Amino acid sequence: KAGVTQTPRYLIKTRGQQVTLSCSPISGHRSVSWYQQTPGQGLQFLFEYFSETQRNKGNFPGRFSGRQFSNSRSEMNVSTLELGDSALYLCASSFRDRGNEQFFGPGTRLTVL
Amino acid sequence: EDQVTQSPEALRLQEGESSSLNCSYTVSGLRGLFWYRQDPGKGPEFLFTLYSAGEEKEKERLKATLTKKESFLHITAPKPEDSATYLCAVQENNFNKFYFGSGTKLNVKP
Repeated sequence: KAGVTQTPRYLIKTRGQQVTLSCSPISGHRSVSWYQQTPGQGLQFLFEYFSETQRNKGNFPGRFSGRQFSNSRSEMNVSTLELGDSALYLCASSFRDRGNEQFFGPGTRLTVL
Repeated sequence: EDQVTQSPEALRLQEGESSSLNCSYTVSGLRGLFWYRQDPGKGPEFLFTLYSAGEEKEKERLKATLTKKESFLHITAPKPEDSATYLCAVQENNFNKFYFGSGTKLNVKP
């Protein structure tokens, strides 16, 4: 079974630009969560989607948004990028109903210059 | 408020020297506690889920245990390939959110 895939793996942007990251969950998984990981803050929850609906949201500004498609693939968008948005963005999928284990993708390394 | 605290932040062991990592949590209702391993530049790799106090799970040299307020990850006779950052996460009953600890960076020297 293929794991969680994320594209692109690396991204360099400049302040003020916007970026879209993509995540394809494990086949059959309907829940997708997004996290931001930085050396100083660790792993911080951004949001969770299940069946195309946002179920939970972390404490991030409105510049961070996401969506989920009918095939469970998810995208995350960050508008008006700031230097502090440089981080590893991780996507995790779970079946949700059958236990709560989350399986992570390799992440997208975003650098904002 | 810190829902999950991991200690120590870093741990250096000699190969074969057993030790334990700690994860303490303060959520009101625990739905589950999760252990992950993360290698540099990679996403976390799922290790264990624990649901109730007294529960234990084992995998190779790793054993996870859970009490009402903390979890331990015991590493028996570690090898250099066990070097990684070990993350603990808890999921609340009410909102299903996951809270991650800052991790313990383990370095096992041959």
